[in-house]
Amino acid sequence: GEDVEQSLFLSVREGDSSVINCTYTDSSSTYLYWYKQEPGAGLQLLTYIFSNMDMKQDQRLTVLLNKKDKHLSLRIADTQTGDSAIYFCAESPGANNLFFGTGTRLTVIP
Amino acid sequence: DAGVIQSPRHEVTEMGQEVTLRCKPISGHDYLFWYRQTMMRGLELLIYFNNNVPIDDSGMPEDRFSAKMPNASFSTLKIQPSEPRDSAVYFCASTLSGTGVGSPLHFGNGTRLTVT
Repeated sequence: GEDVEQSLFLSVREGDSSVINCTYTDSSSTYLYWYKQEPGAGLQLLTYIFSNMDMKQDQRLTVLLNKKDKHLSLRIADTQTGDSAIYFCAESPGANNLFFGTGTRLTVIP
Repeated sequence: DAGVIQSPRHEVTEMGQEVTLRCKPISGHDYLFWYRQTMMRGLELLIYFNNNVPIDDSGMPEDRFSAKMPNASFSTLKIQPSEPRDSAVYFCASTLSGTGVGSPLHFGNGTRLTVT
């Protein structure tokens, strides 16, 4: 079955870059997603990447995909305290479902 | 658009009682999903619908759980009878045309269920 793995915690200083890593198992996943969850809220889509791309940039966010190693990363430039949240990566091996990782809790230290 | 709307936001009930969670998806979205989030198990897919028809309910824990989608703008998740181990945050999400084609899930704010 699908298994998406992430480290549980990450702490960075305000202004530094954050890199959140994810590994997934299903090479047939056509799209890979990053979601953000703030306390008491649902998951908010941050960005996603098509599997034939290596990189996608969207303002402060950069997604890197290594399809050979099934490794996905999310880089947040100039991390702010408002970026403190839980970040989930998700793969979509089938047409209509997402499998989520355990989430990485990002703490930004002022 | 108001986004995916879930009610109630919080539900506290006693073991053995029936619980009904409600969801209104984004208008025009053809797919609706119910997820459960716990510390121990993370996010688990319970069931999803396409055009109001249940497609995959393999994640529903047991017969105590049931879900319906009587029309395109409303779905319910029912637990009867509820047990303390059902305590979790339940999320509803909808998508336009399937995540495998780059149509992302849009989540509601969830219902936090506590069964005592």
